[in-house]
Amino acid sequence: AQSVTQLDSQVPVFEEAPVELRCNYSSSVSVYLFWYVQYPNQGLQLLLKYLSGSTLVKGINGFEAEFNKSQTSFHLRKPSVHISDTAEYFCAVTNPINDYKLSFGAGTTVTVRA
Amino acid sequence: DAGVIQSPRHEVTEMGQEVTLRCKPISGHDYLFWYRQTMMRGLELLIYFNNNVPIDDSGMPEDRFSAKMPNASFSTLKIQPSEPRDSAVYFCASSLGRGRTQYFGPGTRLTVL
Repeated sequence: AQSVTQLDSQVPVFEEAPVELRCNYSSSVSVYLFWYVQYPNQGLQLLLKYLSGSTLVKGINGFEAEFNKSQTSFHLRKPSVHISDTAEYFCAVTNPINDYKLSFGAGTTVTVRA
Repeated sequence: DAGVIQSPRHEVTEMGQEVTLRCKPISGHDYLFWYRQTMMRGLELLIYFNNNVPIDDSGMPEDRFSAKMPNASFSTLKIQPSEPRDSAVYFCASSLGRGRTQYFGPGTRLTVL
């Protein structure tokens, strides 16, 4: 089975500064990787996903992530954050061949301050 | 597209009462998932369906929980009897195809007193 570790539970950042959220996964087979965002009192919304192909994936709201197979990582980045990016971010992994369960990390809370 | 629809958005009930949560997946999606989110345990998959058939209910915490999908456009998650430890946000999600993007509903916040 696959699993995900989000290395930071809380990330405070100033407005217009860059942010990186770290995600490592463990799996013995090929995986699909996802980043979801959850704004306060809302459901999860897909930011971006990696299925195959280019290892640099661009998503909505200026976010991007890079799939690194050798380091089993899928870190999320944004070069300049806004107050509205304050939310909880979840990394998730699924095995598309045998097990289509989505395994989520514990989440990273990003707080953007002026 | 209206997205995944869940009702009610909030539910407050007393211990021992029956609770029914409802979900309407995105039209045409063939997978439906029920998740529970708590501070202690994060996001947990409870059960998922493929073409209305339950495939894996290993995440259902105990026999008090049951889920049905009578047709492609409707699913229910029932808790009977409810307990305070069932208090959580319950999400429904749907996807088109296995391993593909799951689209989440807004969730039902359940409080059991």
